[in-house]
Amino acid sequence: ETGVTQTPRHLVMGMTNKKSLKCEQHLGHNAMYWYKQSAKKPLELMFVYSLEERVENNSVPSRFSPECPNSSHLFLHLHTLQPEDSALYLCASSQDPRLANYGYTFGSGTRLTVV
Amino acid sequence: GNSVTQMEGPVTLSEEAFLTINCTYTATGYPSLFWYVQYPGEGLQLLLKATKADDKGSNKGFEATYRKETTSFHLEKGSVQVSDSAVYFCALRGSGGSNYKLTFGKGTLLTVNP
Repeated sequence: ETGVTQTPRHLVMGMTNKKSLKCEQHLGHNAMYWYKQSAKKPLELMFVYSLEERVENNSVPSRFSPECPNSSHLFLHLHTLQPEDSALYLCASSQDPRLANYGYTFGSGTRLTVV
Repeated sequence: GNSVTQMEGPVTLSEEAFLTINCTYTATGYPSLFWYVQYPGEGLQLLLKATKADDKGSNKGFEATYRKETTSFHLEKGSVQVSDSAVYFCALRGSGGSNYKLTFGKGTLLTVNP
C-alpha cells in the first residue's frame, strides 16, 4: 500500500465522546501534518510533526490532541468537541520540511460531524 | 509572511473552453509554487509544481509558469473536460528558516458543464 491513508473516512460523534483519527503514510516521509478544512474557509494548518517531534501547534484548542508515535503514523485524539469542529480533517506528509522543492502528499480526509 | 491570492470562484465553463485561474503570491527569497486539485469528497492532489523562476509545470493538460517579475503562477488549460470539475488551490512553500510550510490560497471551484 502506498500514499497517505486516513481512517475512518466518516465519523459522527457526540459532544461528550472521545474518538481518534488515524493517518498512515508509506512514502518514507519524515514530516506529517494535520489540516482542518471547513466550508467557505481557507485550509487551516493545525499541527506539524517533523521526525516525530511536534514543531508547530497553531493555537489549536486542547480538545484536539495529536500524537506521532513514529514517522509513519499520526493520530488526532478528539474529546468534548463542539458542533463548529465539524469539518474535513486532512492529513499530509512530506520529505524533510526544510526542503522547499517538495510538496505535500495528502490523504483523502476524515469527514467529522459533531452532533 | 508568505501569502497566496487566487481568483475567487466559482468558475463555470462549458466543455472544451479555455481555463485560466489567476494566482499571485508574496514571499521572501525563492519559493516553490504548486497547484493542488481537490475532487469532490477527496483530499488534495498535487497537480503540478515549479521550483524556480521561468519554470513551467505541466500535468494532464494543465500548465502554469513561475513568473517572478509579476509574482504570479496562473493555471491554464486549453480545453477543459467535465472531469476537471473540482476545487483548485494555489500554494507556495518558502525556502530556508521557518518558511517551510505550504501556504495555500482559498481555492477556486471550477464547474465544467457538458
